Order: sequence, then structure tokens, then C-alpha cells
Amino acid sequence: AQTVTQSQPEMSVQEAETVTLSCTYDTSESDYYLFWYKQPPSRQMILVIRQEAYKQQNATENRFSVNFQKAAKSFSLKISDSQLGDAAMYFCAYNRRADKLIFGTGTRLQVFP
Amino acid sequence: KAGVTQTPRYLIKTRGQQVTLSCSPISGHRSVSWYQQTPGQGLQFLFEYFSETQRNKGNFPGRFSGRQFSNSRSEMNVSTLELGDSALYLCASSLPSGREETQYFGPGTRLLVL
Repeated sequence: AQTVTQSQPEMSVQEAETVTLSCTYDTSESDYYLFWYKQPPSRQMILVIRQEAYKQQNATENRFSVNFQKAAKSFSLKISDSQLGDAAMYFCAYNRRADKLIFGTGTRLQVFP
Repeated sequence: KAGVTQTPRYLIKTRGQQVTLSCSPISGHRSVSWYQQTPGQGLQFLFEYFSETQRNKGNFPGRFSGRQFSNSRSEMNVSTLELGDSALYLCASSLPSGREETQYFGPGTRLLVL
């Protein structure tokens, strides 16, 4: 069975600094998708970034980028120039095509001014 | 384009009652998935509907059911509510088309069972 592990329950970063959130996953599939979702106090789950496993190039969305290591089954999220609005729970998620999302337990990110 | 909408946003029910939650997907999306989020169990998949058919199902008791209409709107029903059903219920929609599988979430419905 596929699993997603986020080993950092909480992280903190100073405004304008860079922080990296870790995620590892386990699967025997070769074709799958990985995601980072952000859940602020409003509880709305917001897509941050998406990676297709067959693409070797790491995805980037403005200040957010990933380090996708397929062989190591690692998918970390780097947030550059952190802002107060980045404070939220961050969930790493995995799925195969036409299948459910499997989530990690989340990392709570605090951003200090 | 409007996002995923869920109604109601908040609900308070008592044990034994039943509840129906509604989800309207992003226009053009044909798949709707439901997830339950609790502090103890995290995010768990309930079921997914695609073109009015249940395509995937999670490991929840039969008290949890759903359906999808021809306009892709979906409803989720929980019968004989238990205290443990208190949770945030999230709905997500996706196309899916080709390799586009991304699920976009609504704001959720917070259910409190007393």
C-alpha cells in the first residue's frame, strides 16, 4: 500500500528566509503524481505545487519549488522569501491516475516577523 | 472560474440523526471526491464519483453514502450519526483529462455531532 510520511510536525521560519518541508513516500508504481497542499486556519485546502513522477524537472511556482528525488522517494517543498501569509498546515499528497489522494500527517509552519 | 463550493459550511446534529452535505465542482469538472478530516485520523478518503458512478470507495461503513447528479454536483449522506462523525468534510473536484489529475478542494463542511 502507498504511504506518505511527513516527519516534521512543526517548523518555523523568519519572514524573508527560506524553509524546506520534507516528505517521503512509498509506492511500487512508476507513474504517479505528488502534491503539496496548504491549509490555513480557514481550513480551505489550497494547491501549492504539483509534480508528475515521469517528469525529471522539479516543479516551481513562484516562491515555491520542490526537490523531487524519485529513486529516494523524496519530495520536499522549499519556500523562499517566506511571508506571514505562508503560515499554515502543509500536506504532502500522492496519487495514481484516477485514484484517491493519500495524505501525509502534515507540517505546521509558523512564520515569525 | 468559480471554485468548488460546499454547503452548508457548518452543521450541528445530534446522535442518530442523518445529514446531507452538498458539493458543486468547478465548471467542467466531472470527478468529485470526498474526504474526512479529523485530528486523530487525519485526511481520509471517503469516495469518488465520476460521471454519476462511484469509481472509488474508501474504508468507511455503509452509513456513509453519496451520489452524483448529471450536472456533476455531488451529495454525501451520513445516516445514524455517531459522535465520531464530527469532522471537517472536504470535497474536491478534478477534470480528469489526459494527465490532468489535480484535485481542487472546496472550503469544507464542519459537522459537529452532539
